[in-house]
Amino acid sequence: TQLLEQSPQFLSIQEGENLTVYCNSSSVFSSLQWYRQEPGEGPVLLVTVVTGGEVKKLKRLTFQFGDARKDSSLHITAAQPGDTGLYLCAGLESYSGAGSYQLTFGKGTKLSVIP
Amino acid sequence: EPEVTQTPSHQVTQMGQEVILRCVPISNHLYFYWYRQILGQKVEFLVSFYNNEISEKSEIFDDQFSVERPDGSNFTLKIRSTKLEDSAMYFCASRADRGPSYGYTFGSGTRLTVV
Repeated sequence: TQLLEQSPQFLSIQEGENLTVYCNSSSVFSSLQWYRQEPGEGPVLLVTVVTGGEVKKLKRLTFQFGDARKDSSLHITAAQPGDTGLYLCAGLESYSGAGSYQLTFGKGTKLSVIP
Repeated sequence: EPEVTQTPSHQVTQMGQEVILRCVPISNHLYFYWYRQILGQKVEFLVSFYNNEISEKSEIFDDQFSVERPDGSNFTLKIRSTKLEDSAMYFCASRADRGPSYGYTFGSGTRLTVV
């Protein structure tokens, strides 16, 4: 199982500001998935990036997969209080011979957007 | 929006007792998973299940744990003799397919407290 490091661990910003959170590993992943988790709830999938250098946009959220498929970033433009939550990155790695994948989570970035 | 349903939402049990956590995955999904999250820690993989058998399991998933899909709709996680350290949120997840572009749909979780 490979490690995913997320930074920053905590982020508190004012409404309207931009922010970027990072997800880094020394290992190559088949894909990188970003989830958002509310307290007491399960992770909810935001996006999956598969190709190195891939950029996906989801309204004010921009996700990028590093060229080497080892890292990813999430950029939020003009943050809103509704963006408050725990953002998790998760790397999908394959098991050779088994044809199956395992999803490994980072510890998350806890974002707080202050009105 | 199809969802993964988990019951119960909360379970309190005495140490040494058996517990069964239940999940109804999305109906046309083929791959099923259990993850757990100890309070304040990251989401950890327990086991994956496909075609009525375990395809992968983590070191956490020892002989005290078992999974089954008894009737084609429910997917259960059994802990035979619970320990205090089994206290955690347990999440069931399912996927339509195993390729890297497929995301996971997680349930809302069962909060297990072992006393």
